[in-house]
Amino acid sequence: NAGVTQTPKFQVLKTGQSMTLQCAQDMNHEYMSWYRQDPGMGLRLIHYSVGAGITDQGEVPNGYNVSRSTTEDFPLRLLSAAPSQTSVYFCASSSAGNEQFFGPGTRLTVL
Amino acid sequence: AQSVAQPEDQVNVAEGNPLTVKCTYSVSGNPYLFWYVQYPNRGLQFLLKYITGDNLVKGSYGFEAEFNKSQTSFHLKKPSALVSDSALYFCAVRDPARGGKSTFGDGTTLTVKP
Repeated sequence: NAGVTQTPKFQVLKTGQSMTLQCAQDMNHEYMSWYRQDPGMGLRLIHYSVGAGITDQGEVPNGYNVSRSTTEDFPLRLLSAAPSQTSVYFCASSSAGNEQFFGPGTRLTVL
Repeated sequence: AQSVAQPEDQVNVAEGNPLTVKCTYSVSGNPYLFWYVQYPNRGLQFLLKYITGDNLVKGSYGFEAEFNKSQTSFHLKKPSALVSDSALYFCAVRDPARGGKSTFGDGTTLTVKP
């Protein structure tokens, strides 16, 4: 099993550009989440999903969109990148009530 | 709303000494509680969890945690620290009544000195 994979590992964007961060899992987990990690602020939940076709907002959803058309994939879209979105982004998956498995992260810089 | 507090940004211990990393939580129902560890430039790795049952939970790498419902705490402990335990530790809570949503603490940096 590959677990949770994320692409790309690194990305530099200019203000106003859009992009999609990819996340995939091969463990048939129904729950998937996107977090951002900023120094001294822990992990903040952006969006999450409890199954294909179902998504909901987390603590910091503004400027991000998600969709969940399959169990395996949960892409995160940045609509119009801003410097405040410079961060490390983690995708995670889990089954009900169990621990989350995290991807290796995407380090995003917005200039 | 659910929340997690890790009151110490940093914990320093000498190798061979016991360590404790503190965590308190707030949740409306019965909590699912987790500890994760993050090594530099890596994703988070699961250490242990409390769902129900025995209040003392044992996990990976010799770590354990004690669930205390009256104090709403879930402190991480290890009897004898190793230099290789140095990392960033996160406590997380999940309210099963709220589906898949988890809340993380801000993290505690553990440094174990030889």
